[in-house]
Amino acid sequence: QVQLQQSGPTLLKPSETLSVTCTVSGASINNHYWSWIRQSPGRGLEWIGYVYHIGSTIDNPSLKSRATISTDTSKNQFSLTLTSVTAADTAVYYCARGKGAASAIMEFWGQGTRVTVSS
Amino acid sequence: EIVLTQSPATLSLSPGERATLSCRASQSVNGYLAWYQQRPGQAPRLLIYDASNRATGIPARFSGSGSGTDFTLTISSLEPEDFAIYYCQQRSNWPPTFGQGTRLDIK
Repeated sequence: QVQLQQSGPTLLKPSETLSVTCTVSGASINNHYWSWIRQSPGRGLEWIGYVYHIGSTIDNPSLKSRATISTDTSKNQFSLTLTSVTAADTAVYYCARGKGAASAIMEFWGQGTRVTVSS
Repeated sequence: EIVLTQSPATLSLSPGERATLSCRASQSVNGYLAWYQQRPGQAPRLLIYDASNRATGIPARFSGSGSGTDFTLTISSLEPEDFAIYYCQQRSNWPPTFGQGTRLDIK
C-alpha cells in the first residue's frame, strides 16, 4: 500500500525559504512521477511541479523559478524548497504520486502540510 | 494556461438523489480530465481520470463523461459520505490546472 507522509506545519517570515518533505512507503521514488501541489483559499489548488527519473524536474512557470524539487533515494523521500516566500505562499502543501506513466493524474496523496507566512 | 470553470458553485441535494456536476474548459483538453473529491481536513481523492475511467476502489455510482471542453461528473444515488467538494483537473496542457470546485451540500 502506497503511503506518503509529510513533514509538519511551518511558520515562516517573508523572504525566508520554505522546505517540506514527503516520505514514501510502499513504492520506490525511482519510479513514477512525484508532485507537489498547494491549496489556498485565494488561489485554490495549484500545481507546483514534479520530479521523475530522479533528477529530472518540471515546475510551474508561475512560481518564477523559486521552487526546487529534490530527492533522497536513501530515505525514499522527495522535498520541495521554495525561496523568497511571501504571504501569497501561505497554503496547505500536498505531495502526490502520479498514476502509472501519467505525470498529472494524482493517485496517492500525502496528508498535507500547513505553511503560514507572516511577519 | 487552460482555465476550468465548474458549475454550480454549490449544489444542495438529499441522500439518494442524483448529482450532476459540470466542468467547462477554456479550450479542448483532449479527454485528459480528472475529477477529485475532497472532504473537510483531507487531501483530494482521485475519482475519475481521462474523463470516464474510475480510479481503483471508487464505487460504481460515480461516473464521468464528456469530451472536448465539456465534462460531467455524475453520482447516481448520493450516500452521506459523498457530501464534499469536487474538483476537476486537466493534464492536456502544461501546467496542469484545477477548477475552483463544486460544493455538494446536504439539503
